[in-house]
Amino acid sequence: GAGVSQSPSNKVTEKGKDVELRCDPISGHTALYWYRQSLGQGLEFLIYFQGNSAPDKSGLPSDRFSAERTGGSVSTLTIQRTQQEDSAVYLCASSLGGQGRYGYTFGSGTRLTVV
Amino acid sequence: AQKVTQAQTEISVVEKEDVTLDCVYETRDTTYYLFWYKQPPSGELVFLIRRNSFDEQNEISGRYSWNFQKSTSSFNFTITASQVVDSAVYFCALRGQGAQKLVFGQGTRLTINP
Repeated sequence: GAGVSQSPSNKVTEKGKDVELRCDPISGHTALYWYRQSLGQGLEFLIYFQGNSAPDKSGLPSDRFSAERTGGSVSTLTIQRTQQEDSAVYLCASSLGGQGRYGYTFGSGTRLTVV
Repeated sequence: AQKVTQAQTEISVVEKEDVTLDCVYETRDTTYYLFWYKQPPSGELVFLIRRNSFDEQNEISGRYSWNFQKSTSSFNFTITASQVVDSAVYFCALRGQGAQKLVFGQGTRLTINP
């Protein structure tokens, strides 16, 4: 597609439920990233994909968080047993490659609210 | 380790004033890339500029200009004759040559008052 697409744009869930957030990157972009932005805060790195593999999962805050990418394209971030502190905007970005010279294109994000 | 510091949390100016957003970075890489992104109230991050570590020329794009100084590890962003539409959160970011991820500063919230 023309840009990075994320769905849903907003999600309200009850504490303890599981949620899935979807990211559809720009066609041809091999690198995909998930970041989290809590209210009024900067961007916190979660995970990086190169193709279907995730060489860097260092930012996932707990084992309740997982992500996968299939076909080198769409990625899903799953949060199990959601907690109120998981409330944030989850941003996905894609890049032509994992090398430093490439910048990111970001999606509009999914605003997750855990009540 | 790589780090980006944006010391100014919030800036508020009156329209038509010039404003400079500071960015200081730390890296041990000899080759690296610096970025600025704008996040308007709509929430989407908009790419503004990328600069590599070998190019210290300042850049101007309309009312925007960037001053890259390796000697002080700074990559400052100036908006000339600011407008209300410039109100946003601005993020500075760093990526090393061998690094897969962008490291972001905490952002500067810029408010331009009419």
